Amino acid sequence: GAVVSQHPSWVICKSGTSVKIECRSLDFQATTMFWYRQFPKQSLMLMATSNEGSKATYEQGVEKDKFLINHASLTLSTLTVTSAHPEDSSFYICSASDERGIDIWDGDTQYFGPGTRLTVL
Amino acid sequence: AQSVTQLDSQVPVFEEAPVELRCNYSSSVSVYLFWYVQYPNQGLQLLLKYLSGSTLVESINGFEAEFNKSQTSFHLRKPSVHISDTAEYFCAVSATSGTYKYIFGTGTRLKVLA
Repeated sequence: GAVVSQHPSWVICKSGTSVKIECRSLDFQATTMFWYRQFPKQSLMLMATSNEGSKATYEQGVEKDKFLINHASLTLSTLTVTSAHPEDSSFYICSASDERGIDIWDGDTQYFGPGTRLTVL
Repeated sequence: AQSVTQLDSQVPVFEEAPVELRCNYSSSVSVYLFWYVQYPNQGLQLLLKYLSGSTLVESINGFEAEFNKSQTSFHLRKPSVHISDTAEYFCAVSATSGTYKYIFGTGTRLKVLA
């Protein structure tokens, strides 16, 4: 149980284009989803927290107009990197939790997706 | 606010030897504690966690960690490591109430040598 998937697993795009990354909870309802960014050999940096049906809460320094997050259902959140540039190249990881304990008893635990490697040329 | 310190960026150890990966945290409120493992080019997998109750928690693959409130530590141990344990290990904390955001440590790269 508690499986999170991401799609695509890797993407290469041209500078100036937009890229959408999907994060799905496969066997539980994710009341909250988190988006992280990880640079090579570094830790995960939280970008934003999203709750189903409401606007995402962005961390300080993260451009909300550049990193659009939508959490339209209890099993799907999307991150769109708009007008991507080479400096946006990174490993993007989502996580999900079931804080209301609908499907998972330990609602405080985050379950992570496998990550999406974005390369902007 | 919370913070997490993983003092060792890299830990080389020979196969079948014991290992300890250190994690210390700082927080003004009660916290939950987690250890995650990340294999190359993959996401994070939950290894073990402390939410409440017994301060010694174990994983199914032989790792254990002990929550020490007085020393604000949550060190990860394994009595005998395998080559397959080579990975990056992240310690994380979250407040027991509020936004449930994780604060991650900088990670420790465990390299098991034959």
